[in-house]
Amino acid sequence: RKEVEQDPGPFNVPEGATVAFNCTYSNSASQSFFWYRQDCRKEPKLLMSVYSSGNEDGRFTAQLNRASQYISLLIRDSKLSDSATYLCAVSGSYSSASKIIFGSGTRLSIRP
Amino acid sequence: NAGVTQTPKFQVLKTGQSMTLQCAQDMNHEYMSWYRQDPGMGLRLIHYSVGAGITDQGEVPNGYNVSRSTTEDFPLRLLSAAPSQTSVYFCASSYSSGGPYEQYFGPGTRLTVT
Repeated sequence: RKEVEQDPGPFNVPEGATVAFNCTYSNSASQSFFWYRQDCRKEPKLLMSVYSSGNEDGRFTAQLNRASQYISLLIRDSKLSDSATYLCAVSGSYSSASKIIFGSGTRLSIRP
Repeated sequence: NAGVTQTPKFQVLKTGQSMTLQCAQDMNHEYMSWYRQDPGMGLRLIHYSVGAGITDQGEVPNGYNVSRSTTEDFPLRLLSAAPSQTSVYFCASSYSSGGPYEQYFGPGTRLTVT
């Protein structure tokens, strides 16, 4: 079983829709969680970190469920420009950087 | 500010050849890592380093060597290239203490082994 798993999609939704992705992790000692966005043939870029209490950045909301060992990303009022691959990442340590493991990514396509 | 730079951008190797993928960062980040990305596989960690002189293996280290003699550079060596190493390689860096641990990625090296 992979340490970090995501639904690969693709998710194909109309503009303005709300879409949610989940990402499960197997290491219960994991401490830091992230969502990255990757455009086609480009490098990944941090979308947002995920905090224990959940956090929101505009149309994007990230949540952490430690009991069930998953993180989620909710995108509201989706835009054409949200089309990308979304990668979750999990790190074993909170106090210092340690190895960061990525999921396989979820492809999102927003149609007009 | 250059951020994370990788060279070369593209490379074609024959089976058995060796080469070094270069990675450099100018952000004084202690933590650096190498990933490979294959279709449908996401990013898989090859090796990482938490500071000069310290390296450790990731998920898929076989066939790759690394060293970290300076804070700025983290080269990845393929000693004897195999077709299974055809991939896109990303280098990344971040701070290693005090947070946040956002990783900054280089633009990638697209490697084909024939």
